[in-house]
Amino acid sequence: DQQVKQNSPSLSVQEGRISILNCDYTNSMFDYFLWYKKYPAEGPTFLISISSIKDKNEDGRFTVFLNKSAKHLSLHIVPSQPGDSAVYFCAARASYNTDKLIFGTGTRLQVFP
Amino acid sequence: DSGVTQTPKHLITATGQRVTLRCSPRSGDLSVYWYQQSLDQGLQFLIQYYNGEERAKGNILERFSAQQFPDLHSELNLSSLELGDSALYFCASGGPSPLHFGNGTRLTVT
Repeated sequence: DQQVKQNSPSLSVQEGRISILNCDYTNSMFDYFLWYKKYPAEGPTFLISISSIKDKNEDGRFTVFLNKSAKHLSLHIVPSQPGDSAVYFCAARASYNTDKLIFGTGTRLQVFP
Repeated sequence: DSGVTQTPKHLITATGQRVTLRCSPRSGDLSVYWYQQSLDQGLQFLIQYYNGEERAKGNILERFSAQQFPDLHSELNLSSLELGDSALYFCASGGPSPLHFGNGTRLTVT
């Protein structure tokens, strides 16, 4: 049972344009969401997070939007840069089980010049 | 550099064998988490230890076991290996969120 879903395995975007990565979840008890970025031969690194009490969180070029009614979140990268090319994982956790992060399958983003 | 160290980076072994993966958490972190990433899969939570005690268990097979030692490093033991156990195994520390991941051990079972 995949509780966190990233339905787009890959995304290709031109440098300077916006990248939008999507994530859906099924567990209504999830109340904290994170995005991780992973380069080849490295472990995932934390990028940005959002609590369910918010619908938007911004950090530089990265913005995460949360739509609780639709159980959907998205990561916007503006402007996209070639160094953003990586695999992006969405993750979620519930307040009753804060030790367990549930990850999606990832979206491979390629930013081309 | 996340501060989480995993060894070895690569491991190639045969079916039926047993291997041990090692993880040293970031300085000061008491929790260690183990995740498995198979081909085209997300990171699957296996198990968590906190200060030497098992804290949470995920989709960990009975053939797999883990422990955390007094110096807080952790080992993941995989036995009776099958082809399907080939995967990237990540260790993370910190938490509850965010977690800080090591660079993983790539296990290939032939």
